[in-house]
Amino acid sequence: NADVMQNPRHLVRRRGQEARLRCSPMKGHSHVYWYRQLPEEGLKFMVYLQKENIIDESGMPKERFSAEFPKEGPSILRIQQVVRGDSAAYFCASSPYGETQYFGPGTRLLVL
Amino acid sequence: AQKVTQAQTEISVVEKEDVTLDCVYETRDTTYYLFWYKQPPSGELVFLIRRNSFDEQNEISGRYSWNFQKSTSSFNFTITASQVVDSAVYFCALSERQGGSEKLVFGKGTKLTVNP
Repeated sequence: NADVMQNPRHLVRRRGQEARLRCSPMKGHSHVYWYRQLPEEGLKFMVYLQKENIIDESGMPKERFSAEFPKEGPSILRIQQVVRGDSAAYFCASSPYGETQYFGPGTRLLVL
Repeated sequence: AQKVTQAQTEISVVEKEDVTLDCVYETRDTTYYLFWYKQPPSGELVFLIRRNSFDEQNEISGRYSWNFQKSTSSFNFTITASQVVDSAVYFCALSERQGGSEKLVFGKGTKLTVNP
């Protein structure tokens, strides 16, 4: 699992700032999923991307959240104007199509 | 919609005891995958097993074993001779295929504490 890289591992933001979370998939994997783990809740799907395409964003909040997976470079989950309720662990997972998703170590976001 | 239920919120055992973590799922798909992931105190998610809905054979990997029963929509996980290092939150998950996406639907997890 360590081959899926996420950075930063911990991120502290003040309300109203922007948070950028990065995910580098495992070598050879072109599919990236983002999940959020809120306190006292399970893991919830947010978005699924392939290179340069968003395939499924049904779990993404409609406002302030966006995701991309450019042709070159990591996938990025962006949260604009963060609020305290955004404090959570954000995990990305990568896979070849239709195969097991391997998770990164997560980014713990704390909004003050 | 898919749903995964892990009724046991927390389990505490003494080292060397066997422990079974329950997982019940709901799906209308005829083809699906079931998973178990482990989240130790360090916080990462570790893949344990992936099981195809057509394969109902039980699986054993060292001290770990899984019992998949389609008739009861259950996919239970047993740890034999538990060890302190097994202390973690364990998540059961079900794949949901929709529009080219194969996202995972997770249960809320079972926190296992193995005491020395």
